[in-house]
Amino acid sequence: EVQLVESGGTLVQPGGSLRLSCAASGFTFSAYEMNWVRQAPGKGLEWVSYISSSDHTIYYADSVKGRFTISRDNAKNSLYLQMNSLRAEDTSIYYCARSASSGIAFDIWGQGTMVTVSS
Amino acid sequence: QPVLTQSPSASASLGASVKLTCTVSSGHTEAIAWHQQQPEKGPRYLIKVHSDGSHIKGDGIPDRFSGSSSGAERYLTISSLQSEDEADYYCQTWGTGLVVFGGGTKLTVL
Repeated sequence: EVQLVESGGTLVQPGGSLRLSCAASGFTFSAYEMNWVRQAPGKGLEWVSYISSSDHTIYYADSVKGRFTISRDNAKNSLYLQMNSLRAEDTSIYYCARSASSGIAFDIWGQGTMVTVSS
Repeated sequence: QPVLTQSPSASASLGASVKLTCTVSSGHTEAIAWHQQQPEKGPRYLIKVHSDGSHIKGDGIPDRFSGSSSGAERYLTISSLQSEDEADYYCQTWGTGLVVFGGGTKLTVL
């Protein structure tokens, strides 16, 4: 079964750091581009970051640029999001999502992990 | 960069059909993808719709879901509405170095 499972979400204080993980299974992880998408409580989907299959190309949303770092370990079939200098407005469910090989669409989504930034 | 515009809400009766719209900002002709998010669940990819109206569905997506296009508008049509179709629907596309989502449409099945 093709699956993405996020972990690492928790309660963290403003200014703190957190590392999210996304474990992939059921497909050749190293062949696919990957993304992080978040959703604040009661709000819509917001794209956070993209990484190419070989991690040569990385993009970030302006809202997280300079604070978040996306990475991957193809040997471990895992995607990561290092989040530093966290703010209250980063409180969201964080989803990892696979980019379809045909482009444009995110064709596989994880179930999400909740990050709460609060004192 | 493209901007995707969706109506905040839509409603239709059980067993009927509904057509949701995603409008792509002028000057952009991208294909878009539709995603469904049922209450308390993660998103699920439904279908990719090209500017010429051709579309590619995700694995296991029922035939009740279809896509079409007219000018700057990309459509998701759901026929024979079922209760489990009550969900939020988001359109999504790529710009230069970034991904764009529409604001989402909340579909109520009456």
